[in-house]
Amino acid sequence: GAVVSQHPSWVICKSGTSVKIECRSLDFQATTMFWYRQFPKQSLMLMATSNEGSKATYEQGVEKDKFLINHASLTLSTLTVTSAHPEDSSFYICSARDLRGRGQPQHFGDGTRLSIL
Amino acid sequence: SQQGEEDPQALSIQEGENATMNCSYKTSINNLQWYRQNSGRGLVHLILIRSNEREKHSGRLRVTLDTSKKSSSLLITASRAADTASYFCATDRVYNFNKFYFGSGTKLNVKP
Repeated sequence: GAVVSQHPSWVICKSGTSVKIECRSLDFQATTMFWYRQFPKQSLMLMATSNEGSKATYEQGVEKDKFLINHASLTLSTLTVTSAHPEDSSFYICSARDLRGRGQPQHFGDGTRLSIL
Repeated sequence: SQQGEEDPQALSIQEGENATMNCSYKTSINNLQWYRQNSGRGLVHLILIRSNEREKHSGRLRVTLDTSKKSSSLLITASRAADTASYFCATDRVYNFNKFYFGSGTKLNVKP
């Protein structure tokens, strides 16, 4: 089945640090990847849609300068949390959709738990 | 949640019993999907149902969709302790099949 690899799985760093999270589709190509944020015991909140070769589309209320997204290839998208602060601590999950698109499920990475001290 | 609500928020049953979770959404959709999330992990796709379908089965899973009520249900039959997880429904938008929005989730606990 389709596999999405997300790395790292856990990050602990000091306030003010920038953190990069990678999301890779391992056995399929994805023109579009998605980044979600999940607070404890809550649902997933869509942050942005990452499009290969073009700018990401951010959901309302998500700071694009804070959460930088790059989708350099059909198999890799990165999310950089810039100058992270404790309120950015959360569980971040990426997903990717097969090129075939419509009617296809999203395949999720295992998430990255980000803790900012 | 960004799209809708699920109920119950939490469900605790004995192994062997059936578990039913409901999902309501707000806008017209192309597809509705159910996902499972084990604690602290990513999501696993369970089943997709299209807006022109009313019922779908996959193993011990049965999903129904009522577009007139904008609701769906997930039934897990003969539950097992390993089914313990959070379950989320996700919907797209009829004008944008690309984005998914998740319901608030149901936390299922199956006691052995």
